[in-house]
Amino acid sequence: KQEVTQIPAALSVPEGENLVLNCSFTDSAIYNLQWFRQDPGKGLTSLLLIQSSQREQTSGRLNASLDKSSGRSTLYIAASQPGDSATYLCAVKGGTYKYIFGTGTRLKVLA
Amino acid sequence: DGGITQSPKYLFRKEGQNVTLSCEQNLNHDAMYWYRQDPGQGLRLIYYSQIVNDFQKGDIAEGYSVSREKKESFPLTVTSAQKNPTAFYLCASSTTPAGGTTDTQYFGPGTRLTVL
Repeated sequence: KQEVTQIPAALSVPEGENLVLNCSFTDSAIYNLQWFRQDPGKGLTSLLLIQSSQREQTSGRLNASLDKSSGRSTLYIAASQPGDSATYLCAVKGGTYKYIFGTGTRLKVLA
Repeated sequence: DGGITQSPKYLFRKEGQNVTLSCEQNLNHDAMYWYRQDPGQGLRLIYYSQIVNDFQKGDIAEGYSVSREKKESFPLTVTSAQKNPTAFYLCASSTTPAGGTTDTQYFGPGTRLTVL
């Protein structure tokens, strides 16, 4: 059974720092991995999707990597800003129509 | 303005009542999903639908029911059989019904259900 873990559960950093969020999964047979952002009381917004054949994807200050063999993905945020404060979730898609979500990392960027 | 809408934003249920949460999308997506989110837990799949008039149970379907009569709409009913329904409910849709590698999930703004 696929399990997805995100560590740390919460993170506080000063503005301007570069930071890395981690996502690990137990079954490497995935179709893709997606990173989402969730603001309090809101829905999820897709940030990046990495297909199983890809190693990384970039969008602006965000870079996500995927290492299927080790069951790990990282989300790198460059030059963090207070507006980046949110919960970040990763989700893997297996051979069905289901995504398995991690519990998220709650990020706070201090001004 | 394409997207997914959910209504109501807040919903209160009395014991023994059935309530229905609305989800509508104008993205022309075939697949739609319902998730439940509880504090400190990841999203858990309740039901999903690949195509009109077809839907499948997810991991926590007990006490819930759905219908998919139109491509755009996927309402969720929380029945009185669901003993702990207080949670945040999220509807999503995705582009590719088959097990593709490129399909992205798009989410609605959510409905917060509270049992009184």
